[in-house]
Amino acid sequence: DTGVSQDPRHKITKRGQNVTFRCDPISEHNRLYWYRQTLGQGPEFLTYFQNEAQLEKSRLLSDRFSAERPKGSFSTLEIQRTEQGDSAMYLCASSLAPGGGNSPLHFGNGTRLTVT
Amino acid sequence: KQEVTQIPAALSVPEGENLVLNCSFTDSAIYNLQWFRQDPGKGLTSLLLIQSSQREQTSGRLNASLDKSSGRSTLYIAASQPGDSATYLCAVRSGNTGKLIFGQGTTLQVKP
Repeated sequence: DTGVSQDPRHKITKRGQNVTFRCDPISEHNRLYWYRQTLGQGPEFLTYFQNEAQLEKSRLLSDRFSAERPKGSFSTLEIQRTEQGDSAMYLCASSLAPGGGNSPLHFGNGTRLTVT
Repeated sequence: KQEVTQIPAALSVPEGENLVLNCSFTDSAIYNLQWFRQDPGKGLTSLLLIQSSQREQTSGRLNASLDKSSGRSTLYIAASQPGDSATYLCAVRSGNTGKLIFGQGTTLQVKP
């Protein structure tokens, strides 16, 4: 078990380009979450999956954002037509989902996006 | 709507001091509260998770308490060390989805 893995660690892109990030959760975890963190702030929830089903999306997730978890394992987060305001750290987390949802979340090291 | 606040935003102490970080939340109907550590440019490392039915959890020099009725949690760090320098974040889980609501964090600097 190597923990939650995110790729790439850093991404610099020009405004208007599309970017895609990947997250590999801890292997037995069935829940996967995406968060966004800007400088000096705590992480903000974007969306989460249970297995391959996307069960909740934040209003922060505009139409330019799309997330998938096609086989209930890894997930991708795509941002289309990037804007400078998209510059942030994008964090992925995973957990087990027993009844009550009390298992801790385990976070990856994040992907830092810079839009120039 | 659940809101989480951490005070202070930053803290600087000499090595060896015992210290307390504070976290407050507006809606006491929580499943659990989790404390994380974040080093600059890195992800979050889970420190302690307190279930809603618990009052405290301990791990080494760390002790976290939870008072649901008053909407407060504290993280106590004993005998602080320079290696404890990091940002500490608290987060509450209010529903069964597992979604966490985070505070802004307290950035701690422990001076040698």
